[in-house]
Amino acid sequence: QVQLQQSGPGLVKPSQTLSLTCGISGDSVSSHSAAWNWIRQSPSRGLEWLGRTYYRSKWNSDYAVSVKSRITINPDTSKNQFSLQLNSVTPEDTAVYYCTRGQYYFDYWGQGTLVTVSS
Amino acid sequence: SYELTQPPSVSVSPGQTASITCSGDKLGIRYAYWYQQKPGQSPVLVIYQNNKRPSGIPERFSGSNSGNTATLTISGTQAVDEGDYFCQTSDSSAYVFGTGTKVTVL
Repeated sequence: QVQLQQSGPGLVKPSQTLSLTCGISGDSVSSHSAAWNWIRQSPSRGLEWLGRTYYRSKWNSDYAVSVKSRITINPDTSKNQFSLQLNSVTPEDTAVYYCTRGQYYFDYWGQGTLVTVSS
Repeated sequence: SYELTQPPSVSVSPGQTASITCSGDKLGIRYAYWYQQKPGQSPVLVIYQNNKRPSGIPERFSGSNSGNTATLTISGTQAVDEGDYFCQTSDSSAYVFGTGTKVTVL
């Protein structure tokens, strides 16, 4: 059974960097058949896919156009986890953030982390 | 950008059938996926590739997708089926979610 465990701060100041980590058990971040995603949910924006990382002979990343200039998703093979960094946050980035597994759809989800952007 | 539209709410009596629609331009040529979310919980996949059920999802959940509309049907709805339901598809190496439908079992 795949489990995803999220960690990271729940409060970030405006203009700073939001950083979250997702630990994987029951699968590998280096899997040739999986992709590892970050999705967020807010009342104003609904569910919003942010991006993914995946390994297919080399590491790849895809990002949503809405955050492409500010986002980085990185794998950490030594700890079997992946991370999200979102730069220059504003109050509009306040949301529940989820890590998920999925290449075309999302079959496993982390527990969610409420991140509030406020001074 | 691609958009998926759902009705904000659907009400159903226990034991009856609930139908939740998801509309998008030529959605029928893409795969549609459906998630159930209960308050304070992460979404759970209930339908993939239009009409397939993951292991552990009850048979009363079914799906279809044709033209511009995908539909999630809950037959013999139970109180435990209350929650928010979201459709999802893919678009140019990105993923799009519907606006969400709150299902109330009266």
